[in-house]
Amino acid sequence: DAGVIQSPRHEVTEMGQEVTLRCKPISGHNSLFWYRQTMMRGLELLIYFNNNVPIDDSGMPEDRFSAKMPNASFSTLKIQPSEPRDSAVYFCASSSSRADTQYFGPGTRLTVL
Amino acid sequence: GQSLEQPSEVTAVEGAIVQINCTYQTSGFYGLSWYQQHDGGAPTFLSYNALDGLEETGRFSSFLSRSDSYGYLLLQELQMKDSASYLCAVPLNNQGGKLIFGQGTELSVKP
Repeated sequence: DAGVIQSPRHEVTEMGQEVTLRCKPISGHNSLFWYRQTMMRGLELLIYFNNNVPIDDSGMPEDRFSAKMPNASFSTLKIQPSEPRDSAVYFCASSSSRADTQYFGPGTRLTVL
Repeated sequence: GQSLEQPSEVTAVEGAIVQINCTYQTSGFYGLSWYQQHDGGAPTFLSYNALDGLEETGRFSSFLSRSDSYGYLLLQELQMKDSASYLCAVPLNNQGGKLIFGQGTELSVKP
């Protein structure tokens, strides 16, 4: 299996621009998670989907962030407009119905200037 | 609220044994997981304990004591490649969902 695929791997943008991060989960996994990691705050869950339905978005920092999962093999995380404090590594992860194991993608390193 | 505490860094020498501790405070408990993360790379799953006791997987073992809200990861026969951040995590429900992660323990293995 190819594992969780994320794109782009690196993104540099200017404040105010729209940013779209993409994720393809492992085939057969029914849960998908978006995380953000920074030195200050560590690894934080932003939102997760189960069977393509958003279950908990309480970690989404504000309305500038939105996430969609139109089908079982694709999800996006969008930031509009982006701000310098959004600079972080964004990870996507997927899992099967078991609670104990999540498989992470390689992450997208976002820099907002 | 929910919180996990682990030391920020640990240093050990090649071939030695090191223990990384994690204490947790959660309203419900469904297990304790450990993940390894090399220098900004993807966290990778190491182990999961739902019941008290020691789980061994090769050079790595993980222990849980639910009565003490405490667990640890034990790494034996340390190798240079074990230098990484180790994160403990707890799920907030038993339905395959929300994980809360500790801040991570940075392990440095010296020759």
